[in-house]
Formats: sequence, structure tokens, C-alpha cells
Amino acid sequence: ETGVTQSPTHLIKTRGQQVTLRCSSQSGHNTVSWYQQALGQGPQFIFQYYREEENGRGNFPPRFSGLQFPNYSSELNVNALELDDSALYLCASSLSGRGSGNTIYFGEGSWLTVV
Amino acid sequence: TQLLEQSPQFLSIQEGENLTVYCNSSSVFSSLQWYRQEPGEGPVLLVTVVTGGEVKKLKRLTFQFGDARKDSSLHITAAQPGDTGLYLCAGANQAGTALIFGKGTTLSVSS
Repeated sequence: ETGVTQSPTHLIKTRGQQVTLRCSSQSGHNTVSWYQQALGQGPQFIFQYYREEENGRGNFPPRFSGLQFPNYSSELNVNALELDDSALYLCASSLSGRGSGNTIYFGEGSWLTVV
Repeated sequence: TQLLEQSPQFLSIQEGENLTVYCNSSSVFSSLQWYRQEPGEGPVLLVTVVTGGEVKKLKRLTFQFGDARKDSSLHITAAQPGDTGLYLCAGANQAGTALIFGKGTTLSVSS
């Protein structure tokens, strides 16, 4: 139990649709990161939010966007879904904006299937 | 570009055997982390190694960080079925804002 909760746990969307995934970070953590994990691969960094501002972004197109709220919970939005977006989306929370040296706690993820 | 390569990609062994998983990079990392991930769950941190040459032990698991901080290994002694899972190594990117993960090693231990 990491204290990071994600919803929904599973969902199926049609190509071209939009999806919103939600994450509640561990109590006291002000930084949330999102990762995409395709089947058989390691997680790939999408972006990080620190105190409601985007603090870093991986190699993902602009149709991947996010938000962090004053209570540090977060959303990941993906527009114009493509088949290759099918993956496990992981939310991770930590105490500060610096990844090195800080323990990062992952949620159990949201499984997205695009058909 | 910082990359982490893990080997082997798949490992299927019998209970009681020993195994080693490797994580290599051409880049220097300030620290490396090892995670274990079970199906349907997020990665769970096992250990962080920080100092070159460092060795950490967690019960039957031994983690080593290379002297040059470019590689790491995970050794499991007397593997048990409960060790089954995906083992991931990860290091912080240069900005310190994200973790770079290897592709993982899928370990299956049968009794």
C-alpha cells in the first residue's frame, strides 16, 4: 500500500476519443509524475507536476496533457486516442520536484485499452 | 540520451537456484534504483544505490552499484516462487525530474 490511488483501474476507449485518468498522491507529497508502460516494457516518463506547474516533460506529443490541483491530486488527459496509446498509466508521487534521492511511490495504475 | 539496458529480458528458473540480473548504461547516474513489479500493480522500490562500488543486501537479494556508477546488478540467492515478477532498474534523468527505466527482467521461479 503506497498511499497513491488511481482511477479508473481499467477502461476501454475507441480510437479518436479522449480520456481522463486521475491520481491522488500520498499525503504530504507535492510532486506527481505520470508514466506510460506498454506491455513488456519499462515505464516511460510522460511529465511531472510540482506545485501545480509542469516541471518536466518526456517525449510525448501535446495531446498528452495534465493538471495538478491545489490538494496535489492530478489528472492525465489524452486526446485523439490512438491504438498505440493502449498501456498501463502509472502515477507516482514524491515529496519534491527533484527525482534523485527522493523516494517515489507508484500507484497501481490505470489500464487503458484503445480499440 | 541516457539509456539503461537490462539483461536478461526473461529468466525462468527452478526454486533454489541463484540468478543475477544486470543493468548497464554508457551514462553516469548519481544513483540507481531497483523496483519489483507484479502483474496488475505499480513498481515497488526495493533499494537505492548511491555510492560507486556500494553493495546492499535485502534478505536473499544483493544489489551492487558499479565503481563508475554506470551499471548495477541484482543477485538473488536460492530463488523462491514468491520472487516471481518484473524487475526494473531506474536512474534519475539529468534534470532530476524523472526516472529513466530499463525494459525490465521478467523472472519466473517454479517450484
